Amino acid sequence: GENVEQHPSTLSVQEGDSAVIKCTYSDSASNYFPWYKQELGKGPQLIIDIRSNVGEKKDQRIAVTLNKTAKHFSLHITETQPEDSAVYFCAAKGGNTPLVFGKGTRLSVIA
Amino acid sequence: NAGVTQTPKFRVLKTGQSMTLLCAQDMNHEYMYWYRQDPGMGLRLIHYSVGEGTTAKGEVPDGYNVSRLKKQNFLLGLESAAPSQTSVYFCASSYGGTAYEQYFGPGTRLTVT
Repeated sequence: GENVEQHPSTLSVQEGDSAVIKCTYSDSASNYFPWYKQELGKGPQLIIDIRSNVGEKKDQRIAVTLNKTAKHFSLHITETQPEDSAVYFCAAKGGNTPLVFGKGTRLSVIA
Repeated sequence: NAGVTQTPKFRVLKTGQSMTLLCAQDMNHEYMYWYRQDPGMGLRLIHYSVGEGTTAKGEVPDGYNVSRLKKQNFLLGLESAAPSQTSVYFCASSYGGTAYEQYFGPGTRLTVT
C-alpha cells in the first residue's frame, strides 16, 4: 500500500520568511496530493491540492510542487504570518486505496 | 450549514466498557470516514463508507465497528475499550471519492483508563 513520509516534523521560521515542507510517497499510481492545515483544537482543513497531471499549483502565499519521477511533493508558504502557525499534513491517494496521510509538521512562525 | 458534527466532544471510559461515537453531516456527502490521531502518528484511517449501507476497513480497523444506516450519519463503536484506543477521533466526509476535499469534524477526545 501507499506510504507517505513527511519532513521536517517541526519547523520554526521568523515572520516574513518562507517555509517549506516536503513529502515523499511510495505508490507510483498515486494521482492526488492534498495538504491539510490543523489549528489547535480543530479538525484538519484542506488548504491546497494538486493532481498528477500538473507540476505546480499556487494560491496566494501557498504553492505546491510535484515531482512524479522522484515521487515527492512539497508545500511552500511565503511571507509567513503568525496565523500560519499550525500542524500541516500532506497526503497521497494511490490507485484504489483511500488517502494516506503523513505524520505532520508543526510550523511555528515567530513574530 | 453545521458541516460535520461529532458527539461527544470528550469521553473517559474504563477498560472493557463500550461506547458509540456519532458523526453527522448536512452536506449530502456520499463518503464518510473515521480517523484516529495519535501524537507523532498523523491521521490513520479506521473505517470508511462509500454510501448509505456500506462500510469498508481502513488502515487500523481492529477493535472498532461502524454502521452507516442513514446517509448523513456514520457511527463508530468500541465494543470493549482498551487503553491503546486512547486517542482523538475525527470524522470526515467528502462529496465524491477520496480524491476530493474531505471536511473534518472538531474531534472527540477519548481516554481509556
